[in-house]
Amino acid sequence: RKEVEQDPGPFNVPEGATVAFNCTYSNSASQSFFWYRQDCRKEPKLLMSVYSSGNEDGRFTAQLNRASQYISLLIRDSKLSDSATYLCVVNGAGSYQLTFGKGTKLSVIP
Amino acid sequence: GAVVSQHPSWVICKSGTSVKIECRSLDFQATTMFWYRQFPKQSLMLMATSNEGSKATYEQGVEKDKFLINHASLTLSTLTVTSAHPEDSSFYICSAIAGGRDEQFFGPGTRLTVL
Repeated sequence: RKEVEQDPGPFNVPEGATVAFNCTYSNSASQSFFWYRQDCRKEPKLLMSVYSSGNEDGRFTAQLNRASQYISLLIRDSKLSDSATYLCVVNGAGSYQLTFGKGTKLSVIP
Repeated sequence: GAVVSQHPSWVICKSGTSVKIECRSLDFQATTMFWYRQFPKQSLMLMATSNEGSKATYEQGVEKDKFLINHASLTLSTLTVTSAHPEDSSFYICSAIAGGRDEQFFGPGTRLTVL
């Protein structure tokens, strides 16, 4: 089983749609969880951290289920500028090392 | 704040040559830097962890004699791809963390093409 697995995508959605990405991780000792966004041929940029209680940042909502080792990202009211690849990222216990998922590509269509 | 730069942003070289990539933290001191590699449509794969003043720790399957890492100061780490071959063509990205923080700040990446 891969350490971090994501929906294969790609997701093609119209502007204004709501889209959800899922991610599972294999290391139950993982402590920190993130969603990053990566534009084509660019470096990844932190979108948001994911907390056990769930957290929201504007149109973005992240959820974490430690028991199921499952992370989700919900994007409401999609904008054209949301088109990118979304990376699920996990940090091991007591470690700064990040493990990246393959990413899910989102295309928001006018 | 927390800006990381990489140089060069892209490089094309002939097979057999060596290529050096620099990673700099511009406005903070980076106690630890990481080097990643990303092939097309693949995830970022950690190659090595570099701590200032000590030897880098390489991930399994990454040849330390081929990918030389030097972290001589708190603001600079270099990755040298020695005797590069076409299969080394990839997107190389560094990241850095400041002491006491766990957020990684990524450089803009270096696209290496080996002919």
